[in-house]
Amino acid sequence: ETGVTQSPTHLIKTRGQQVTLRCSSQSGHNTVSWYQQALGQGPQFIFQYYREEENGRGNFPPRFSGLQFPNYSSELNVNALELDDSALYLCASARGGSTDTQYFGPGTRLTVL
Amino acid sequence: AQSVTQLDSQVPVFEEAPVELRCNYSSSVSVYLFWYVQYPNQGLQLLLKYLSGSTLVKGINGFEAEFNKSQTSFHLRKPSVHISDTAEYFCAVGGGADGLTFGKGTHLIIQP
Repeated sequence: ETGVTQSPTHLIKTRGQQVTLRCSSQSGHNTVSWYQQALGQGPQFIFQYYREEENGRGNFPPRFSGLQFPNYSSELNVNALELDDSALYLCASARGGSTDTQYFGPGTRLTVL
Repeated sequence: AQSVTQLDSQVPVFEEAPVELRCNYSSSVSVYLFWYVQYPNQGLQLLLKYLSGSTLVKGINGFEAEFNKSQTSFHLRKPSVHISDTAEYFCAVGGGADGLTFGKGTHLIIQP
């Protein structure tokens, strides 16, 4: 059983640009959540996708958007990058259901200059 | 609304000594509680979780936690730590479509 994978590992962008981060969920998982972890902080929930539909969202502006594909892999898109978007972006997958364990990927480190 | 407070940002402890990492939570819905560990430059790994039932939860690597509803706490304990336990530990509440709400983390520093 393969775990959650994310790409790329690191990314450097400049302010105002757009970025797409990718996540492959663990086999058999149909739910994907994205989190932003700023340096020295705990992860913050961005949104969750269940069977290709967004079914939950944290306190993030609309320039943070996502997709989930039929194979349950997912993308996080961020438009109009700001310096404060610099963070580790974590993807987590689960089988679905509020009590199911979320399994995290290694993250993508985004630096905005 | 949900929130998590991890009372210590850093906890230094000598190798083979016991340790307790403190976590208090606030939740207006069903309480599901988690402890995750993050090693440097890695993602999060689940240590243990409380969903219901017994208030004492055992996890991986010799860790355990006790759910205390009256004190709204979910403290993490290990009777004897090892150098390899050096990491960042996160307490979280919630789950489902609202995602997990994490605390700011506690850096466990093991001194030889």
